[in-house]
Amino acid sequence: GNSVTQMEGPVTLSEEAFLTINCTYTATGYPSLFWYVQYPGEGLQLLLKATKADDKGSNKGFEATYRKETTSFHLEKGSVQVSDSAVYFCALGLNTGGFKTIFGAGTRLFVKA
Amino acid sequence: GAVVSQHPSRVICKSGTSVKIECRSLDFQATTMFWYRQFPKKSLMLMATSNEGSKATYEQGVEKDKFLINHASLTLSTLTVTSAHPEDSSFYICSARAFEGAGIETQYFGPGTRLLVL
Repeated sequence: GNSVTQMEGPVTLSEEAFLTINCTYTATGYPSLFWYVQYPGEGLQLLLKATKADDKGSNKGFEATYRKETTSFHLEKGSVQVSDSAVYFCALGLNTGGFKTIFGAGTRLFVKA
Repeated sequence: GAVVSQHPSRVICKSGTSVKIECRSLDFQATTMFWYRQFPKKSLMLMATSNEGSKATYEQGVEKDKFLINHASLTLSTLTVTSAHPEDSSFYICSARAFEGAGIETQYFGPGTRLLVL
């Protein structure tokens, strides 16, 4: 079936530390891959996306590369800020008789000053 | 990017009443919208797919008579929680499907509606 697995949180980092949040997927088709961010009390915002193998999505210093060979889409940022504290969701989108998005469980990130 | 709004952002109601939540795509037309429910510190659970001009498609285990969905126009879908009970308290999030260059599909999410049933 189709699923997304991402590393469990919470992840706690100091400001300016390097961030990696792992995400792997299984899919019966050829999905698009997304990272969404949810700040406290808010809905989801699209952070970045990639639609084909070796594509790199990037936004606000975050980046992730679509790795078909390892079925991964790990999120990275070189230097996190306190304002990056949020929940990050990895997701895949598939069009199988109707477009659906399947979310990972989410990883909560805390960044300390 | 595209903008999706939800109204209200938060609502408190008494048990047994019905609550309507609106989801609007503000700068694009969306033939398909999705309704999700999110429990505290959990991921999003897809409740139903809302198709303009036709009946919604509900996920397994979601009561269609309790969660009424209407997608009357290309920019508006509504979710009505009928005869709400405390266990229906949750964060409800909608999204709208958008097509971008080269037919790439993306979902844009609303800010969510927090429902509290007393």
